Amino acid sequence: EIVLTQSPDFQSVTPKEKVTITCRASQSIGSSLHWYQQKPDQSPKLLIKYASQSISGVPSRFSGSGSGTDFTLTINSLEAEDAAAYYCHQSSSLPITFGQGTRLEIK
Amino acid sequence: QVQLVQSGAEVKKPGASVKVSCKASGYTFTSYGISWVRQAPGQGLEWMGWINTYNGNTDYAQKFQGRVTMTTDTSMTTAYMELRSLRSDDTAVYYCARGGDGLDFWGQGALVTVSS
Repeated sequence: EIVLTQSPDFQSVTPKEKVTITCRASQSIGSSLHWYQQKPDQSPKLLIKYASQSISGVPSRFSGSGSGTDFTLTINSLEAEDAAAYYCHQSSSLPITFGQGTRLEIK
Repeated sequence: QVQLVQSGAEVKKPGASVKVSCKASGYTFTSYGISWVRQAPGQGLEWMGWINTYNGNTDYAQKFQGRVTMTTDTSMTTAYMELRSLRSDDTAVYYCARGGDGLDFWGQGALVTVSS
């Protein structure tokens, strides 16, 4: 099973700050890595697919990069509405796995 | 527009079974698989399995093998997830989501509470 490890687990940030969340895979997964945002009491929402592909309707301040084992989700100029949990997810091999999540708090 | 609408909350006793439905609309149902993901209270996301809606093939997480069955009714564009022999640690919100790679649309979730 491929283990995805996110860092940090929690981050408290101020609006307009740039945020970077990393996701490390226990073995190479190519670009089969996707990012989700989940706000309290809501379903997850796809932000980025295949490491860096943007999703229609997602603000351009969200971007992704990486390949192999190391991936990054970047949020430029953070907004208050970005307070949420963020998860990475690999679809390279079964079983599908998720990272443990990163909770983002806005100061 | 694409929508996945799930059945409502359920309360079950230990040992019972639950069947959650996921009604899809706004796209060709058999063109995308359906994944099932659960989330225990205050916890992260856990993949349970996936069904190919075109041919009915399934892949289940080993943890749920023998306890879970995923099916579809293509005429009703609905996917189902049945979990048997429920335990208290199966208490969670159960989500269906479209796709097997980037999960681009999600249902609203169905809370299943297992309690005696």
